[in-house]
Amino acid sequence: QVQLQESGPELVKPSETLSLICTVSASSISSAYYWGWIRQAPGKGLEWIGNIYHSGSTYYNPSLKSRVTISIDTSKNQFSLRLSSVTAADTAVYYCARFGVLTVTGFDSWGQGTLVTLSS
Amino acid sequence: DIQMTQSPSTLSASVGDRVTITCRASQSISNWLDWYQQKPGKAPKLLIYKASSLESGVPSRFSGSGSGTEFTLTISSLQPDDFATYYCQHFNSYPWTFGQGTKVEVK
Repeated sequence: QVQLQESGPELVKPSETLSLICTVSASSISSAYYWGWIRQAPGKGLEWIGNIYHSGSTYYNPSLKSRVTISIDTSKNQFSLRLSSVTAADTAVYYCARFGVLTVTGFDSWGQGTLVTLSS
Repeated sequence: DIQMTQSPSTLSASVGDRVTITCRASQSISNWLDWYQQKPGKAPKLLIYKASSLESGVPSRFSGSGSGTEFTLTISSLQPDDFATYYCQHFNSYPWTFGQGTKVEVK
């Protein structure tokens, strides 16, 4: 059964860069899936951040595009998120998830999520 | 960007009730829509994909319908485990967007 696990600092200082890694197990990151990041501010709804394909093709939310970089490391079966120049508005639970490209079956597997808090 | 609007925002219901949640897209998205269930402190769970296909392992009391701009998620007989927040999400074009969520609470 596929598992995704987010990891990274839980506290980030304002104006710095948030960095998270999603480690995928029991599913090859080189198979036909988009690997995505979604976040949820406390008490708020879900916000799609972006996707990456194993080829390296990326798709970002325009509201974050200037600050977001998603990359993939097929040798480690991981993909990562970097969000620069963070502010208090970036405090959220960050989820990584898998979306079937060929089957188009939605985000069918999610990590448990990691709360990232902005704090000086 | 395509905006997704869910209604109602909150729904009060009892066990055994038939529950319907609506999701409207600001432009046609064909059937490129998913539904998720989220419980407090947990990751969302996929219920329905491509508007009407039931994800494996999801109880058959959940169903989805619609195409174009209007979609519905129906729970035929609400069970205690179904009290949660539900989100629709389109993937017709980038950026993908979610509805604002519908909280199903105990009446």
